[in-house]
Amino acid sequence: QSALTQPPSASGSPGQSVTISCTGTSSDVGGYNYVSWYQHHPGKAPKLMIYDVTKRPSGVPDRFSGSKSGNTASLTVSGLQADDEADYYCSSYAGSNNLGVFGGGTKLTVL
Amino acid sequence: EVQLVQSGAEVKKPGESLKISCKGSEYSFSTNWIGWVRQMPGKGLEWMGVIYPGDSDSRYSPSFQGQVTISADKSISTAYLQWSSLKASDTGMYYCARPTMIRGVIITIDSWGQGTLVTVSS
Repeated sequence: QSALTQPPSASGSPGQSVTISCTGTSSDVGGYNYVSWYQHHPGKAPKLMIYDVTKRPSGVPDRFSGSKSGNTASLTVSGLQADDEADYYCSSYAGSNNLGVFGGGTKLTVL
Repeated sequence: EVQLVQSGAEVKKPGESLKISCKGSEYSFSTNWIGWVRQMPGKGLEWMGVIYPGDSDSRYSPSFQGQVTISADKSISTAYLQWSSLKASDTGMYYCARPTMIRGVIITIDSWGQGTLVTVSS
């Protein structure tokens, strides 16, 4: 069982928006603004999409956005495209004695 | 662009040893932490440990301390993950990952390798 809880699946039609949640505790997600989201197309290297809850690395489309409320972080993908179909993982800093925790992943399907 | 290129898939028997590798390029390998993340079949991701190639300072997650060895050779910009005696439960995908560290803590992972599949079966 992963430390952070994500829904196993999410879906949306092209052009629509979808939001993926990532629920932790006050010791990780709720306690720090160090939540990241990664996109993983099977067989490829995972890719950083969001860091520090809301920041996008250079090159990541602004269709991807992050937010947090309490112990739950969220990734929203707007204007869904076929290539957005992938697995998405969240991670969070979890204190000085911990290297960090991950979610179990959400498979996003573009219908 | 940072690149992390991992060694190929491995099939081993229980009790055998194994060392997989991850070669970094297009950045200063010696002055950036690098680590390993495990994904067991059908499961999520787990940090195993990280190492600073400049002085070989390493940190392990409690679950992996004593179970694996993480090392690095800065002369060839390569990090390693090693097992001395594999178990069937070591079967999984292993990713090398370059964390962004601030004041000694991992903030995010800015680059990943493509993964090395390790299968341990008799």
